[in-house]
Order: sequence, then C-alpha cells, then structure tokens
Amino acid sequence: KNEVEQSPQNLTAQEGEFITINCSYSVGISALHWLQQHPGGGIVSLFMLSSGKKKHGRLIATINIQEKHSSLHITASHPRDSAVYICAVHSNQFYFGTGTSLTVIP
Amino acid sequence: DGGITQSPKYLFRKEGQNVTLSCEQNLNHDAMYWYRQDPGQGLRLIYYSQIVNDFQKGDIAEGYSVSREKKESFPLTVTSAQKNPTAFYLCASRLLGGQSNQPQHFGDGTRLSIL
Repeated sequence: KNEVEQSPQNLTAQEGEFITINCSYSVGISALHWLQQHPGGGIVSLFMLSSGKKKHGRLIATINIQEKHSSLHITASHPRDSAVYICAVHSNQFYFGTGTSLTVIP
Repeated sequence: DGGITQSPKYLFRKEGQNVTLSCEQNLNHDAMYWYRQDPGQGLRLIYYSQIVNDFQKGDIAEGYSVSREKKESFPLTVTSAQKNPTAFYLCASRLLGGQSNQPQHFGDGTRLSIL
C-alpha cells in the first residue's frame, strides 16, 4: 500500500480550464509538499503546507489534516503548466506519490 | 546562484561495471538524499546523510554505495550488484534545524541506462 495516493494519474485540459489534482495520505505528517517535475526531469518545490491554504500566482494548494487530503488547483491553465505534479509528505521520512501528468492543450 | 548540481545528465553502464553519479550543493544544506525514480512509481529513497561522514540506508539501498566526505558532496555509486540499474536518479538536499519543516531542493537528475 502506498502511503501517498494521487489522482488522476493523467490529465489533459484545454488552455484556460480550471484544474484540480488530489492527494490522499495515510501517515501522520509534519508537512505536505507539492512538487513540479518538468520533462527534463528536474523537480521544483511549489508549496509546503501544514494547514489551511496557500496561493502563488495561479496555483492554490489546500490541505485538510483531519481528512488527510490535499488538493492542488491551477486556475486559467496554460500550456507551460504541462508537467508532472507530485505530492509528497514529510513523516518520519519523505513519501512521494506517483505523480499526475498534466498536459494543457492550446 | 545556489543550487544542486548533478552530473552527468545521461550515463551508460556496461554489464559488471560500477558507475558513480555526482551530486554537489552550494546551499550549505546539512542533509542530502538520493532517490530513484521508475515509471509509474513514486520516488524511492536509496541513501541519505544528515552530517559529514555519516549516512543511512533508505528503502532500496542494495547494490548502491555512498560517501559524504564533504558537506557539499554526496556521490552515489551504482555497483555491479545492482541488477536493474536503469532508472532516473535524483539528488536532493535540505536544511536541518531551526524551523522544523524545510523543503527538499532537487537537482536535475541523472538518467542511467544499461548498454
């Protein structure tokens, strides 16, 4: 059983659409991270959350600690948002989801 | 600019050959990590180090070795004992202490293939 589950695995959207990626986890955590992996493979950290909601530009991340669930929202999606989005949690170690591959079509 | 540098970007290994992947950081981070990424799977921890001259095995350490002689450097050797080394390898680092939750910073990865 994976400690972190993401859905959907793959997502295709038209430019401008509102996108939601979901993450559920089964362990106690001190923080949850949303990461973005570009086609070249490098990973950047988008958000670190321990409660509530954070916003950066068109990206919004929320977390519900009681339900062990987080969502990443992208408003007004753009082709440059095409990437793999990975949910990771920090418990006694880091656990990673398998990622959501997002393609935004012009 | 501070960051993590992994080299090479692509690496090919012959059967029975050891290869070493380089990871250098100039962020003055205490902890460094090596992960392996395979298609359809989340990142899996190979080894990590929280201090110079000390490191611990992760979930899939068999067939790998590391060293941490300097704070800035954490090379990973993929030995001939690793029977399925073809994968994408990511190095990460993190600041410890102070604020309890610090994010990991990742390199751009090395893609290793068997010839």
